[in-house]
Amino acid sequence: AQSVAQPEDQVNVAEGNPLTVKCTYSVSGNPYLFWYVQYPNRGLQFLLKYITGDNLVKGSYGFEAEFNKSQTSFHLKKPSALVSDSALYFCAVRDIDYGNNRLAFGKGNQVVVIP
Amino acid sequence: NAGVTQTPKFRVLKTGQSMTLLCAQDMNHEYMYWYRQDPGMGLRLIHYSVGEGTTAKGEVPDGYNVSRLKKQNFLLGLESAAPSQTSVYFCATQLRPGQQDNEQFFGPGTRLTVL
Repeated sequence: AQSVAQPEDQVNVAEGNPLTVKCTYSVSGNPYLFWYVQYPNRGLQFLLKYITGDNLVKGSYGFEAEFNKSQTSFHLKKPSALVSDSALYFCAVRDIDYGNNRLAFGKGNQVVVIP
Repeated sequence: NAGVTQTPKFRVLKTGQSMTLLCAQDMNHEYMYWYRQDPGMGLRLIHYSVGEGTTAKGEVPDGYNVSRLKKQNFLLGLESAAPSQTSVYFCATQLRPGQQDNEQFFGPGTRLTVL
C-alpha cells in the first residue's frame, strides 16, 4: 500500500521564522501527494498538491511544498510563520490499493507558532 | 452553498446502541468518503462510494455500514456501538470520477463518544 510518514509529532517555531513540516512517502508508481491543514474543531482544508511538473508547488495561505524524488520527500514550507498557522498538518498520498479512491494520511504534525 | 455538512456534530452513545451519521453535499460531487480520525493515527478510510447506489469497503470497515441512496447524501451507520468506535468522523467528497489528481473536500466532523 501507498503510505506517507510524518516523523515529527510537533513543530515549534517562532513567529516570523521559516516553517518546515516534513513528509516522506512510499509508493509504487507515480505519487499524487497532498497537504491538508486542520484547525481546532474543524474539518481538513486542502493546502496544495503535487501531481506532476514543477517540483516546487505553491498553495494556499503562503504555503509551498517541494517534491524531491530522490529523497522521496514532500516537505511543506512557509518562509515566515504566523501565529494563525498554529494547527495540525497532514500529508497524504493517493492510494492505488483502493482504486485510487483512498487518501493515505500521515499521523499529522502539530505546528505551534510562538509569538 | 453549504459545501459538505455533517449531522450531528456531537453524540454520546452507550455500548450496544445504534446511530446513523449523515453527510450531505451540494457540490454535485460523485465520490463520497467516510473517515475516522484517532490521535496519532491520522485519518483512516471506513467506506466510500463512487456514485449513487454504490458503496465499497475501506481499510477499517468492521462495525459500520453505509448507504448512498441519493447522490447528495452518504449515511454511516453503527448497528451496535462499541467503545473502540469513539472517534471523530469525517465525511469527504471528490469532484471528478476517475481523476486521480482531485483533492477531497471535508465536512466539519462528528465527535462520537461510546461509553
